[in-house]
Amino acid sequence: GEDVEQSLFLSVREGDSSVINCTYTDSSSTYLYWYKQEPGAGLQLLTYIFSNMDMKQDQRLTVLLNKKDKHLSLRIADTQTGDSAIYFCASPRGDSSYKLIFGSGTRLLVRP
Amino acid sequence: NAGVMQNPRHLVRRRGQEARLRCSPMKGHSHVYWYRQLPEEGLKFMVYLQKENIIDESGMPKERFSAEFPKEGPSILRIQQVVRGDSAAYFCASSPRGQGFDTEAFFGQGTRLTVV
Repeated sequence: GEDVEQSLFLSVREGDSSVINCTYTDSSSTYLYWYKQEPGAGLQLLTYIFSNMDMKQDQRLTVLLNKKDKHLSLRIADTQTGDSAIYFCASPRGDSSYKLIFGSGTRLLVRP
Repeated sequence: NAGVMQNPRHLVRRRGQEARLRCSPMKGHSHVYWYRQLPEEGLKFMVYLQKENIIDESGMPKERFSAEFPKEGPSILRIQQVVRGDSAAYFCASSPRGQGFDTEAFFGQGTRLTVV
């Protein structure tokens, strides 16, 4: 069945770049999402990328997609303490686009 | 325009009691989705509802769980005879149309259910 996997934890120093990685199994995914969850809050959509794109840049965020390896990454440039949160990648299920398959989340800790 | 409102934020129930979780979608949104997040895990889809209709409940446990989205009022996720394994964060999301790349689903802050 479909699966989305992420590393659990990442710690970076303020001002450095963060790279959060994700692998997925459903090759029929036409787009993929990155969500941010701050403590005690719901999920906030950060960005998405179509499967026919290799890269998408949005201010400090860069999404890279390697469709051959089914690998997705989120790079945050100049990471700030306010970026500390859990980041989820999500893939819509191929036959039911409203049904999102989430990874287990990567907890990003930004050290001052 | 208020966001997706879920209440209560925290709910404690004893084993065997009933839990009722409420979700008021954003204004103008008629599509609601419920997800469950177990500790240290990602969100798992439970059910997709439109006004007065269940579209897809393939993620709902077969027993004790039910969901509704009446013509008036919030969507309700109901868990009967709760057990410790039901302890989780339950998130609701809403969208104006079926969620897809061109239609973002907005998430509420979640209800954290603890069964003691």
